[in-house]
Amino acid sequence: KQEVTQIPAALSVPEGENLVLNCSFTDSAIYNLQWFRQDPGKGLTSLLLIQSSQREQTSGRLNASLDKSSGRSTLYIAASQPGDSATYLCAALSYNTDKLIFGTGTRLQVFP
Amino acid sequence: DTGVSQDPRHKITKRGQNVTFRCDPISEHNRLYWYRQTLGQGPEFLTYFQNEAQLEKSRLLSDRFSAERPKGSFSTLEIQRTEQGDSAMYLCASSLEGRQETQYFGPGTRLLVL
Repeated sequence: KQEVTQIPAALSVPEGENLVLNCSFTDSAIYNLQWFRQDPGKGLTSLLLIQSSQREQTSGRLNASLDKSSGRSTLYIAASQPGDSATYLCAALSYNTDKLIFGTGTRLQVFP
Repeated sequence: DTGVSQDPRHKITKRGQNVTFRCDPISEHNRLYWYRQTLGQGPEFLTYFQNEAQLEKSRLLSDRFSAERPKGSFSTLEIQRTEQGDSAMYLCASSLEGRQETQYFGPGTRLLVL
């Protein structure tokens, strides 16, 4: 059974810092891994999707990497801004199912 | 296209009442998913449809829950005899067919059972 864990649960950083959010999964037989952003009381916005054959994906200041062998993915945010404050969720899609398994998220606060 | 929409956005009900939520997916998406999210947790899968066929249901979906997608377009999620433990955010997502496709989420319906 796939389990997804995110560390840290919360993070508070000053504006301008580069930061790394971590995601671990127990079953390495994943089809893809997605990173989402969720603002308080809102739905999820897809940030990056990494297929199992890929090692990383980039979008603007965001870079996500995937290491299936170690069961880990990281989301790197460069030059953080207060507008980046949100909860970041990772979700794994395994080969034997069509449902996403989510971690509990990292709540990020970037202060000016 | 305006994305995935959900209605209502908020619902307060008394224990024992029935509630129904609606989800309208992105028009060309033939897959539709329902998730439930409680405070401080990630979303948990409930069920999904491909067109009008319900292909997978979670064990979380007790007999009090039923979901439909009668014409392969919008979907409804009904909870009968609500309990306080049903209080959560109910999220809908849609995607094109294919595992490589991104799921696009709606804003959610927040349910509070008193």
